[in-house]
Formats: sequence, structure tokens, C-alpha cells
Amino acid sequence: NAGVTQTPKFQVLKTGQSMTLQCAQDMNHNSMYWYRQDPGMGLRLIYYSASEGTTDKGEVPNGYNVSRLNKREFSLRLESAAPSQTSVYFCASIISRGAEAFFGQGTRLTVV
Amino acid sequence: SQQGEEDPQALSIQEGENATMNCSYKTSINNLQWYRQNSGRGLVHLILIRSNEREKHSGRLRVTLDTSKKSSSLLITASRAADTASYFCATVLFQGAQKLVFGQGTRLTINP
Repeated sequence: NAGVTQTPKFQVLKTGQSMTLQCAQDMNHNSMYWYRQDPGMGLRLIYYSASEGTTDKGEVPNGYNVSRLNKREFSLRLESAAPSQTSVYFCASIISRGAEAFFGQGTRLTVV
Repeated sequence: SQQGEEDPQALSIQEGENATMNCSYKTSINNLQWYRQNSGRGLVHLILIRSNEREKHSGRLRVTLDTSKKSSSLLITASRAADTASYFCATVLFQGAQKLVFGQGTRLTINP
């Protein structure tokens, strides 16, 4: 039982490049989330998906798009990376409202 | 803007002492959760307290919630070097889907 798996773990992009961060959970959870973590800022919600087929913006959605491909997978896409998107990205999932969240190990992204 | 704010931002104590971290938030919540993050790792759920609860215990952890003051505290008793980590409170809002909104965290260092 792997829990929440994020790929890649590390990535360096040049400004303007695009990439997709992958997240998959094997716990049959309904809701999935993408956060970014910057020093001194805690975690900020980018996008979330309450259930398969639905996505909603969080606190800092600009510059990102998401796809809830199926119940297991929730991807985050940067269409044109900017240095301000240098951060550590975390995916999380929750089985139902009111439950605890399970986090992946993170993707450390650097945009140069 | 972030919902929760932890206090202090950093705390350094001797092994065996108790560590207390506080969290304040702004809006009504469904529940409040505390998470731990070791350096370079994902977040791990510690304890959840519902809005109709005032205190909860789990091993060496004690969490209190005061909804009238919109605040919570996490007490770690008899601290160990292995407790060194960052601790985050997360408020849970039901706005359609569940949204987990994190504070900035408290960096706890336990000195042997």
C-alpha cells in the first residue's frame, strides 16, 4: 500500500517550459489536493478535486491547471513556468469530509 | 490569505521538557487538525479535534480547542530528540468540498 505517490521528486525547469506533476493515490480516496510550500509561508492550496470529474480553484491557482484523470490520479500542470513557481509541491488526498489528509513526499521544483 | 497562524514560529527546548504550540484562526471551522513535517518530507497527520470537542489526547499529545477564541494548542509532553520537526495546524472548512487550510507552522527543535 503505497499511499500517495508523487512524481518526479525533483525537477529543474527553464523559464517558459511546461511540465506536469503527477499524483496518484491507492487508498480509494474521493478528494485530492495540490499545495505549494514556500519558506515561511506554510502550505497554500492551489487546486482541489472533491470527487472524480470535479476541480476547483484554491488560494493560489494562477499559472496552474489540473486534471482529475480518474479517482486515483490528480495532475498539476505548469503551462509556462516562471521563477515565482519555484517551490515544493505536495499532493494530498482525503477519503471523505472531516477525515485526515494523507500527503505525498513532495516534488521540489526549481525554475531558472 | 492563510486561515491559521501558529505561535511561536520557532521553539527550542531541552529533551524531556514539554512543548506547547498555539494556533489561531479566523473563520468558523468543522474541525482542526495538527500535522508534523520532518525536514524534506511530506506532512503526517497527528490528531484531529472536532468543533464540538474541547480537548483530545493521543499518547504524548494533547490538543485543546477554544472556538470562542478561535484558537487551538498542541502540547507535546516529555519531548524527545525525535520530536524535532515542523508542526502545522490546519483548519477544515466545508465549502462544498472539504478545504484544509494550513498555518505557517512552528519549527520545534529538541536539544539532547
